[in-house]
Amino acid sequence: QKEVEQNSGPLSVPEGAIASLNCTYSDRGSQSFFWYRQYSGKSPELIMFIYSNGDKEDGRFTAQLNKASQYVSLLIRDSQPSDSATYLCAARNAGNMLTFGGGTRLMVKP
Amino acid sequence: DTEVTQTPKHLVMGMTNKKSLKCEQHMGHRAMYWYKQKAKKPPELMFVYSYEKLSINESVPSRFSPECPNSSLLNLHLHALQPEDSALYLCASSQDPSGGSYNEQFFGPGTRLTVL
Repeated sequence: QKEVEQNSGPLSVPEGAIASLNCTYSDRGSQSFFWYRQYSGKSPELIMFIYSNGDKEDGRFTAQLNKASQYVSLLIRDSQPSDSATYLCAARNAGNMLTFGGGTRLMVKP
Repeated sequence: DTEVTQTPKHLVMGMTNKKSLKCEQHMGHRAMYWYKQKAKKPPELMFVYSYEKLSINESVPSRFSPECPNSSLLNLHLHALQPEDSALYLCASSQDPSGGSYNEQFFGPGTRLTVL
């Protein structure tokens, strides 16, 4: 069973702090990785994707990928209460299917 | 335009009813997906259509019947559902069914289904 693992949280950070969300995956054949944000009762919204080792930055968000360690992370700088949501990590395999982690619930406190 | 639309937003149906969920995208994507999501769980893949042909059925019960009338539309026909089928049903699309480094999936807003 190919798995993507995330800490379910909740991860609580104060407003303005950096939130660090982590994800590990078991399938070494996974080719690219996606971070989705999902507000309660809403559908997943794509935030970022990454497929090369290293960092990828987009505004307040930075995705990090370490294929040797099979580790993906998402950093959110200057966290805002509006960032409070569940963050889903997904790995895409060679068959073009996504395997989702269970999600990490982030709470940003004013 | 990175929009996937779904109708209806909410649906309540009895176990003997027949209903359909609809999904539409106009991004020229050639892969479309149905997912089921229960509360506090990640989305579970149900079906994949590639170039309007069913390519993956994740052992979904026959009371769920997908249909892809054309490259922009995806339906999910529902019949004789059970209360445990109540969930958020999500449609997604992506550009290239064969993969590629990008090929991100975009989700629609979902249909909240309640089976009584």
